[in-house]
Formats: sequence, C-alpha cells, structure tokens
Amino acid sequence: NAGVTQTPKFRVLKTGQSMTLLCAQDMNHEYMYWYRQDPGMGLRLIHYSVGEGTTAKGEVPDGYNVSRLKKQNFLLGLESAAPSQTSVYFCASRSLQAGGPVETQYFGPGTRLLVL
Amino acid sequence: AQSVTQPDIHITVSEGASLELRCNYSYGATPYLFWYVQSPGQGLQLLLKYFSGDTLVQGIKGFEAEFKRSQSSFNLRKPSVHWSDAAEYFCAVGPQGAQKLVFGQGTRLTINP
Repeated sequence: NAGVTQTPKFRVLKTGQSMTLLCAQDMNHEYMYWYRQDPGMGLRLIHYSVGEGTTAKGEVPDGYNVSRLKKQNFLLGLESAAPSQTSVYFCASRSLQAGGPVETQYFGPGTRLLVL
Repeated sequence: AQSVTQPDIHITVSEGASLELRCNYSYGATPYLFWYVQSPGQGLQLLLKYFSGDTLVQGIKGFEAEFKRSQSSFNLRKPSVHWSDAAEYFCAVGPQGAQKLVFGQGTRLTINP
C-alpha cells in the first residue's frame, strides 16, 4: 500500500496562473481532506469530502475548488493563484466508521507551492 | 466552537532529558484527542489518540499522553528524548462522530546534543 500520495511535490507559479494538486489514496477511505500549513498557524482545513461526488467547505475555502470524481482521488484547484496561497498543502484520508469513534486521519507527504 | 491551544511555539531540551508538550482544548463534551508528529519535510504521523477509557494513553516511539478533563488538557510526555525526536508536534481535537479535526498551532522541538 502506498497510503496517501500527492502530486506534485513542489511547484512554482506566477500570480494568476492556475494549477491542480492531486491526492490519491489506496486505502478505500471514504473521507478525504485538504489542509494548508503556514508557519505559526498549524493546519487549516480548506475543503473536505465525505464520499465520491461530495465536497464541503472547511475553514479557509476561498480561492480554492475541489472535486472528488473517484473515491480514491481528491483534487484541489487554484483557478488564479495569489501570493497568499504560498503554503504547504497536505492531503489526508480516513475511513468511515458509522457509530464508532473518529478514525485516524492518514496524511500525504505534502506539496510545497510558491506563488510569485 | 472547538479550539486547541499549544502554548509553546518552540521548546529546546537536551538529549536524554524528559519532555512534556502542552495541549489545551476547548470543547463542551468529551473530545477525541490526537497527537501527530511532523518530521522536517514530511507529512504528519499519528503518535497516539484518546477516545475513552484509561486517561493515560501510550503511543509509538515511547510517547504517552494524559487526558485531564478537569484541566481540559492532553499533554504529551516522553521520559528520555532522542535526537531523532526533533520535529514539530501537533495536538488535534474532534468531537464524537466528527467529520473534521481542529489542529493546534504546533510546537517545534529542538534537541541539544
């Protein structure tokens, strides 16, 4: 099992350019998440998905869009990148255990994005 | 609303010394609590978690944490740190059945040889 993988690992964009970050998981998890990590801010949730074809906003969704067309993939899009979106982006996934405790989130290695 | 506070942004300890990282949470009911570790350039790895039962939880790499409801705390401890423990540590909270976790700001741990 590869777990959670993220593509690309590093990217430099110019202001106004667009890009898509790909997250893939091979654990058959229902839930998937996109976070951004900034110094002194911890991890902040951008968007998440509770199943194929569903998405929901997190704490900092503005400027980002997501799609979950396949259960194993969760895409994060930046339509018009801004310097404020320079960050490290992490994807995570977890299983759904109805009626049970919150399951562990498993994280990918991260994507470093620099917007000039 | 849920929140998590890690009061210490940066801690430095000597190798072999004991360690305690603080985590305070705000939540109305019994929360589910997690500690994650992030090594430089890596993703987050789960160290331990608390759902219910024994308030002293054992994790990987020799770490443990104690849930204290009266103090709304979930502090992480290790009796003797190793140089490889240098990393950033995140506390997180989520209510029962929650779809989302709330993370603290993180504590960066430096180990002096």
